[in-house]
Amino acid sequence: QKEVEQNSGPLSVPEGAIASLNCTYSDRGSQSFFWYRQYSGKSPELIMFIYSNGDKEDGRFTAQLNKASQYVSLLIRDSQPSDSATYLCAVGPGGGFKTIFGAGTRLFVKA
Amino acid sequence: GAVVSQHPSWVICKSGTSVKIECRSLDFQATTMFWYRQFPKQSLMLMATSNEGSKATYEQGVEKDKFLINHASLTLSTLTVTSAHPEDSSFYICSARVLVLGSEAFFGQGTRLTVV
Repeated sequence: QKEVEQNSGPLSVPEGAIASLNCTYSDRGSQSFFWYRQYSGKSPELIMFIYSNGDKEDGRFTAQLNKASQYVSLLIRDSQPSDSATYLCAVGPGGGFKTIFGAGTRLFVKA
Repeated sequence: GAVVSQHPSWVICKSGTSVKIECRSLDFQATTMFWYRQFPKQSLMLMATSNEGSKATYEQGVEKDKFLINHASLTLSTLTVTSAHPEDSSFYICSARVLVLGSEAFFGQGTRLTVV
């Protein structure tokens, strides 16, 4: 079992819709959770991080964490074509500093 | 967010030569830096973790004698690809973080290495 799993996609949504990206992880001791966006040929850029169960909102982005289910998600409201990218879920294992990345979900927002 | 500068952004080298890639944290002291490699349409693969003043910790399957990592200061880590071969062609990315549990990592711009 992979440590961090994501659906590779592509996930296609129309402009203005809500895009929902999901991620599960295997280490129950994980304490920190990150979402990165990566455009083709570019480095990942941090979108959000979340440490506690529940929701965290930042502009059009909402991260949701459920540690009991070992599940973290990212919602993008009012999706724009510029949101089209690969979204990487990353998890920081408990007690350590090494961040484990999922394989990423490709999102395509249709204009 | 914090700024991590990676240089060069792209490099083409001949097979058998060595290439050095620099990663600098510009506005913070990075106690830990990470080096990743990413092949087209694949995710980031962690190569090694570099701590200032100590030897790097390499991931399984990564040749430490081929990928030399030096973390000489709190703001600079270098990755040297020695005796490069075409199969080493990839996108190399560094990230840096402060030694605080759970702190996020900031990525450099990445280096596109092409070995011909």
